[in-house]
This record gives sequence, structure tokens and C-alpha cells, in this order.
Amino acid sequence: DQQVKQNSPSLSVQEGRISILNCDYTNSMFDYFLWYKKYPAEGPTFLISISSIKDKNEDGRFTVFLNKSAKHLSLHIVPSQPGDSAVYFCAATVFLKGGTSYGKLTFGQGTILTVHP
Amino acid sequence: EAGVAQSPRYKIIEKRQSVAFWCNPISGHATLYWYQQILGQGPKLLIQFQNNGVVDDSQLPKDRFSAERLKGVDSTLKIQPAKLEDSAVYLCASTWGALDEQFFGPGTRLTVL
Repeated sequence: DQQVKQNSPSLSVQEGRISILNCDYTNSMFDYFLWYKKYPAEGPTFLISISSIKDKNEDGRFTVFLNKSAKHLSLHIVPSQPGDSAVYFCAATVFLKGGTSYGKLTFGQGTILTVHP
Repeated sequence: EAGVAQSPRYKIIEKRQSVAFWCNPISGHATLYWYQQILGQGPKLLIQFQNNGVVDDSQLPKDRFSAERLKGVDSTLKIQPAKLEDSAVYLCASTWGALDEQFFGPGTRLTVL
């Protein structure tokens, strides 16, 4: 049962253009969403997050959009840089509602982003 | 600030052998996680500790996997006996509290032949 899905295994973009990474979820209990970035031979590092009470969160070149009705979120990177080439994981958890799943992250499969110079 | 340390970085064993991984979290972090990441998949939580107590081990295959966090600091994850499907990267992460940013270690890549 894949509760968080990233249906695009890979994405290739040109330097300076926009990168859009997508993520879908099925569990309506999820109310807090995160994006992690992972370079080879390193652990994932936190990038940006969004709570379900918002539909957009921006941090520099990175913006995350949340569409609760569609159970869909996306990460926009503008402009894309070669150093952004990495695997991007979407993750979801229960925060506002509490309960036994509080803080427990469920990850998607990841999308490999390649930014060409 | 030192990051999360893990060792070994790589391990190759034969099926039915035993293996242990070690994790040293960031100093002061009360919450520690072990994840399993199979190739092509996202990390899957195996066990979560709060200090030296287990908070969640619902996805830990307890017939062969065990984990402990003595004194609420370092942690070890053991597999005994290993199966081919245990080949994966084992990631350790730590946080101040359950909803704070999780800091991940570099992982241990296990290959079971």
C-alpha cells in the first residue's frame, strides 16, 4: 500500500529553467508534508515543508504547492542549477491531528532530477 | 555541529549470516530513527526511539531484526539471520523532538549474497 507516490522516476531540465516535481498521497490523515534532497552516498537532507493549513510555502528558489482536494503536492525549483541534481523525496506525516502516527514520516519512491548546464 | 555518524558504510555478507550497524546521533537529540531504503524506493521507517524507549517498531521484522538504544544515545540495529531481500541502505536519523527536522546519517549499504 503506497500511501505516498512519486510517479516520475526521473526528470531532466536545462539550467535556468523551472523544475517541477510531483507527489500524490492517498491517506487523508496526512496534514504535514516535506521534501528531502539526497545526493549519492549521503543521507537525505530536509529541503522545505508545508502544513495542510497552507497551500503554498516559499524558500528562495524552492516553492511547494499543496492541493488538498486533489491530494497532490509539487515542488518548484526556479531557476534550476546543476547543483540541484539529486534524488528528491516527498514525505508526509500526521502533525495537527496527533495520534499514533504523529511525526512518523512516510516517503515516496523518489524522483531523480538532472539539471544540464 | 557534528552530524549523525553511522558505521560501517558498506557491508557484504552471505545469507543466513548476522550483521550489526551502529549509529551515533547528534548530541542532545532525544529521538532516533532507523530506516530501510531498498533500491528504487523511499526510506521506510523500521523503528523509532525516544531516549532509550521504543516509540514505534510496527514495521520492524522482529523475527530477524532487533535494535537497542542503551543510555539513550548510541543505537545498534542487528539482523540475524540475513536474507537476500535485506539488501538495502540502512539510514539512521535523529531529531530534538518528534516533529523537528530529521537529520540523516550517510547510511550503511548492506549487500546480502
